[in-house]
Amino acid sequence: KNEVEQSPQNLTAQEGEFITINCSYSVGISALHWLQQHPGGGIVSLFMLSSGKKKHGRLIATINIQEKHSSLHITASHPRDSAVYICAVRSGTGRRALTFGSGTRLQVQP
Amino acid sequence: DTGVSQDPRHKITKRGQNVTFRCDPISEHNRLYWYRQTLGQGPEFLTYFQNEAQLEKSRLLSDRFSAERPKGSFSTLEIQRTEQGDSAMYLCASSLAQGTGPSATNEKLFFGSGTQLSVL
Repeated sequence: KNEVEQSPQNLTAQEGEFITINCSYSVGISALHWLQQHPGGGIVSLFMLSSGKKKHGRLIATINIQEKHSSLHITASHPRDSAVYICAVRSGTGRRALTFGSGTRLQVQP
Repeated sequence: DTGVSQDPRHKITKRGQNVTFRCDPISEHNRLYWYRQTLGQGPEFLTYFQNEAQLEKSRLLSDRFSAERPKGSFSTLEIQRTEQGDSAMYLCASSLAQGTGPSATNEKLFFGSGTQLSVL
């Protein structure tokens, strides 16, 4: 079982839809990151959270430490949101390495 | 541009050859990470530097892989005797950790665009 699992693997939505991407992890963590990767490789950090909820524009990230689960929500989705969204965790052991999920490929159609 | 830069963007090599990649982090960033990503997968951690000290290495990092950050600024990742299984995107990321308390444990990462390695 992978330490970080994301669902769904692929998601197609119509423009304007509300989107949810889920991330579950199996280890104790000190932080969870949500990242966005566009074709060609560039990765951008969206959120880093260790508790609660964060919001930036149309993006909302939540985390439930007890349930070892996080969600990334996109409101009023737009074709430019099409990308791979990756969840990554930093363990609570003091190690610096991030463990990444396999990503969720999102396609928003106009 | 003051982001993380990686060179080269693409590298094609023959099996058995040595290759070296370079990463220039954001200038004031003291932490530097190397990750490897294969198609359809998330990145995998390879190694991490704080200033010039290499503090963590993944078990994925075989003896053929070596990384340096001699002056605490740019870093190089060398792969000796390349194998077809080394074909991947090699990503560098940097961050600024301030202080030694809990706030220094979690910081935002800035990624480069990666070096795509193809071993023929």
